Amino acid sequence: EVQLVESGGGLVQPGGSLRLSCAASSFTFSSYWMSWVRQAPGKGLEWVANIKQDGSEKSYVDSVKGRFTISRDNAKNSLYLQMNSLRAEDTAVYYCARVRTEYFDYWGQGTLVTVSS
Amino acid sequence: DIQMTQSPSTLSASVRDRVTITCRASQSISSWLAWYQQKPGKAPKLLIYRASTLESGVPSRFSGDGSGTEFTLTISSLQPDDFATYYCQQYDTFPMYTFGQGTKLEIK
Repeated sequence: EVQLVESGGGLVQPGGSLRLSCAASSFTFSSYWMSWVRQAPGKGLEWVANIKQDGSEKSYVDSVKGRFTISRDNAKNSLYLQMNSLRAEDTAVYYCARVRTEYFDYWGQGTLVTVSS
Repeated sequence: DIQMTQSPSTLSASVRDRVTITCRASQSISSWLAWYQQKPGKAPKLLIYRASTLESGVPSRFSGDGSGTEFTLTISSLQPDDFATYYCQQYDTFPMYTFGQGTKLEIK
């Protein structure tokens, strides 16, 4: 069965950095676009970033452009999100999701990022 | 940017009720719309894609309709497991996306 397992969340001070990871298994990781989606406490879903199969195309929501970087290592079946200059409003559960054609068919369980002093 | 607006924000209903959730796009998205179900503390689950195609394994009481700017998700006979929050998502602008704000389906 397809599995996506996020890790790397935690408490970080404003202005700090964090790197999230997503380990994928039971599918051909290199064949799929992958995404990060976040959900602030008690709020709705917000798409954050996308990356093409070979990493050649990346897209971001405006609010994270220049601060977050999505990347992948197909040899390790892993997706990453490097988050810099973190703000309180980045506090959320971060999910990685597999993109089937254009929508999300599998999601991980999420990892919580808390930005607070 | 395409905005997605769901209504209502909260819906109270009873088991065996028929319920409909509406999702409106700020501009035409053809049929590039998906619906997700999310339960507290869990990841979202894909229910419907391309506005009306049921994901494998999803009960047939769920159905989607619409095109252009107006879409609906209907549950024909509510079951206890269906009380959750539902989100629409447009992917007309792939690889960028927008979600609706969510509709919480509560037990009356």
